[in-house]
Amino acid sequence: GQNIDQPTEMTATEGAIVQINCTYQTSGFNGLFWYQQHAGEAPTFLSYNVLDGLEEKGRFSSFLSRSKGYSYLLLKELQMKDSASYLCAVRGNQGGKLIFGQGTELSVKP
Amino acid sequence: EAQVTQNPRYLITVTGKKLTVTCSQNMNHEYMSWYRQDPGLGLRQIYYSMNVEVTDKGDVPEGYKVSRKEKRNFPLILESPSPNQTSLYFCASRLTGGAGQPQHFGDGTRLSIL
Repeated sequence: GQNIDQPTEMTATEGAIVQINCTYQTSGFNGLFWYQQHAGEAPTFLSYNVLDGLEEKGRFSSFLSRSKGYSYLLLKELQMKDSASYLCAVRGNQGGKLIFGQGTELSVKP
Repeated sequence: EAQVTQNPRYLITVTGKKLTVTCSQNMNHEYMSWYRQDPGLGLRQIYYSMNVEVTDKGDVPEGYKVSRKEKRNFPLILESPSPNQTSLYFCASRLTGGAGQPQHFGDGTRLSIL
């Protein structure tokens, strides 16, 4: 079957660094996406990885290891506005369909 | 402004009363998709469309219909809504070229079926 696992909740302190992990087992692999979703709002695109390694975009970085079926999203210099749900999604072979994990609810505390 | 527009944003209705949620995008995207989001279950795909007149079932299509008569529009139809279809619904679109194309989501439609 197809499965994407991420922790349900995480808490971190303003100014700190947090790493959100995602493991996946899917039929085919055409890349992994991270989205941010604030409560009651639409998911917004953060990053895309298709090759192994680290992609850096400002305070956010995303890492992929295809052999391990593993990715993480790294958030640096945390701000209160980073409190949100972070969704890991894998694009499989079937019509370019995205399979989403349940999301990790991140709470940033002062 | 590039966007995906859903209407209505909120709807409370009763079991069995047909309803349509509209979705329109102004980015000339070929691929469009509908998701529902429920606590503990994440985003699950209902239907998707690769282009005009091409639609296919996602993971949870039961009780829903879609159509794609024009490239920009992808309405979601609930012919006979039931309480288990109470959920937060998102429409999304993307270009089909390149696996790295991200999906752009509408602002969501919160449906309550009583």
